Amino acid sequence: EAGVTQFPSHSVIEKGQTVTLRCDPISGHDNLYWYRRVMGKEIKFLLHFVKESKQDESGMPNNRFLAERTGGTYSTLKVQPAELEDSGVYFCASSQDAAETFFGQGTRLTVV
Amino acid sequence: GDSVTQMEGPVTLSEEAFLTINCTYTATGYPSLFWYVQYPGEGLQLLLKATKADDKGSNKGFEATYRKETTSFHLEKGSVQVSDSAVYFCALNGGSNYKLTFGKGTLLTVNP
Repeated sequence: EAGVTQFPSHSVIEKGQTVTLRCDPISGHDNLYWYRRVMGKEIKFLLHFVKESKQDESGMPNNRFLAERTGGTYSTLKVQPAELEDSGVYFCASSQDAAETFFGQGTRLTVV
Repeated sequence: GDSVTQMEGPVTLSEEAFLTINCTYTATGYPSLFWYVQYPGEGLQLLLKATKADDKGSNKGFEATYRKETTSFHLEKGSVQVSDSAVYFCALNGGSNYKLTFGKGTLLTVNP
């Protein structure tokens, strides 16, 4: 069974550009999450989808970040326009229940 | 709100040494507690968990006991191996939406 997959694995963009990260959760998982780890700091929650609905987006830093989950399958996280402080590793995760949350490998975003 | 404080490291040990990584938490209610591990080049993986006070989670020789009286969930292993070199994250889930709150992570390097 495929795990949570994220694309791209690395992205380097210039300040002011747009970047879109993609996450494919484990098939059948209704819950999908985005987290971010800024260098040296804790992994922080960004938002939570249940199927295609945003259940909790309290961790989204500002309105430059837009997450979607079309049809309750894969999700995208767009940053527009990117700023230097957006650099970090973005993790996607999925779960079916509270027993275990499965994480992807992360996308390392560098804004220069 | 919920928070997790863990020993930041980095921690460097020789093979077969004893490992302890301290983790304490603050949460309302009765959270579930987790240790996640990120091996080089890979995503986060659940290492072990405990869902109620005095539970002991264990996996791959690692153990952690949920101590409600000291609000702690310290990770231990009696004899580390080079292959245990990774970043270890302590985390809790205190709510009903499965959102995880993480510590900053501890980089462990085990030398032969």
